[in-house]
Amino acid sequence: GAVVSQHPSWVICKSGTSVKIECRSLDFQATTMFWYRQFPKQSLMLMATSNEGSKATYEQGVEKDKFLINHASLTLSTLTVTSAHPEDSSFYICSTRESTDTQYFGPGTRLTVL
Amino acid sequence: EDKVVQSPLSLVVHEGDTVTLNCSYEVTNFRSLLWYKQEKKAPTFLFMLTSSGIEKKSGRLSSILDKKELFSILNITATQTGDSAIYLCAGGVIQGAQKLVFGQGTRLTINP
Repeated sequence: GAVVSQHPSWVICKSGTSVKIECRSLDFQATTMFWYRQFPKQSLMLMATSNEGSKATYEQGVEKDKFLINHASLTLSTLTVTSAHPEDSSFYICSTRESTDTQYFGPGTRLTVL
Repeated sequence: EDKVVQSPLSLVVHEGDTVTLNCSYEVTNFRSLLWYKQEKKAPTFLFMLTSSGIEKKSGRLSSILDKKELFSILNITATQTGDSAIYLCAGGVIQGAQKLVFGQGTRLTINP
């Protein structure tokens, strides 16, 4: 399956600051990537679909101005959490989609906002 | 609203036992059903099922989909402690690129 990396693996920041998370597809060109959020003991919730060269598609209830997604190349998508607050603390995971529609996930980024 | 429900939510068995994990779905524009295993970090892919009644097998794990009754099961035989994890199923929805709707997961614990 596809190999996906994320950076950083964990980050702690102060309330009000912005945090950027990178998602890289290491072994194939990904026109589509997905961003998920997972709160403790809960399942993965899709936040947005990231499309190379165009605007991301956000799920209902996800603020596009707060969670900025940029997919500028076929191997990199970034998620920026702007003006982070403690309630944004979560595990953020990206995935890429292969031609078979199977999604392969990155290792995730644990964000803690103080 | 698309919904995927897994049962049981938690299961504790002894090493060597066989377990069956259930997943039912109500998903519009359904395309496929995927199973993942999540240990400490991100989920790892197990199976993708698109056709009813065709069992997919990988070692001690197997899975089957019933598109008429809208459910899937994941079987693990001769369980080992390394099988302890959260097992997630997800319904694949055709919406441009296929997106996944995840169930809550089943937390499986295998005791030695």
